[in-house]
Amino acid sequence: DAKTTQPDSMESTEGETVHLPCSHATISGNEYIYWYRQVPLQGPEYVTHGLQQNTTNSMAFLAIASDRKSSTLILTHVSLRDAAVYHCILRVAKPGTGSKLSFGKGAKLTVSP
Amino acid sequence: EAAVTQSPRSKVAVTGGKVTLSCHQTNNHDYMYWYRQDTGHGLRLIHYSYVADSTEKGDIPDGYKASRPSQENFSLILELASLSQTAVYFCASSEGAPAEVFFGKGTRLTVV
Repeated sequence: DAKTTQPDSMESTEGETVHLPCSHATISGNEYIYWYRQVPLQGPEYVTHGLQQNTTNSMAFLAIASDRKSSTLILTHVSLRDAAVYHCILRVAKPGTGSKLSFGKGAKLTVSP
Repeated sequence: EAAVTQSPRSKVAVTGGKVTLSCHQTNNHDYMYWYRQDTGHGLRLIHYSYVADSTEKGDIPDGYKASRPSQENFSLILELASLSQTAVYFCASSEGAPAEVFFGKGTRLTVV
């Protein structure tokens, strides 16, 4: 799986919109972009995933560049509960295979009151 | 709500002893995984399974065995625990890719 690059940390304030960037310059055409987040003492939690089109759900908006070499996870109206380490992960989704994920250090999002 | 339950939640083991970590899922998922996380690092895949009675090696399988006796249960076995295996272990389950992966709350293992 191709490598991703994220900032080590980002800071925000409650109520703001946060843009978490992820660079994946060597992404291949069949690799999905996944985002997970993890808070201390808990297992990772799925946030969203996408292939080519932007996606949105109750947790976040995922903006994928037209060349797919970068993506941005957008969190609107962040709260203290959104403070976590956010992981951008690439994974080929082959039919009949599982979702073996490779986690890096991720980007630590700090949210201030 | 998908559920992955791990037991025990924490354990202290003696070097050279045998340790078994258990995982139970009620999601009816085919795939199950064991990861370890060291302080300040991301998760690394140890073993996984896509069907009962079969397991596959992940990225760091050395020193670990896995057992999948049923679709719901997946165990991680440390035959001879070592200090370097002190970590937090996470079990997870999923459908086939690109499905969401559901993680348990983790087991904190300390080997002394």
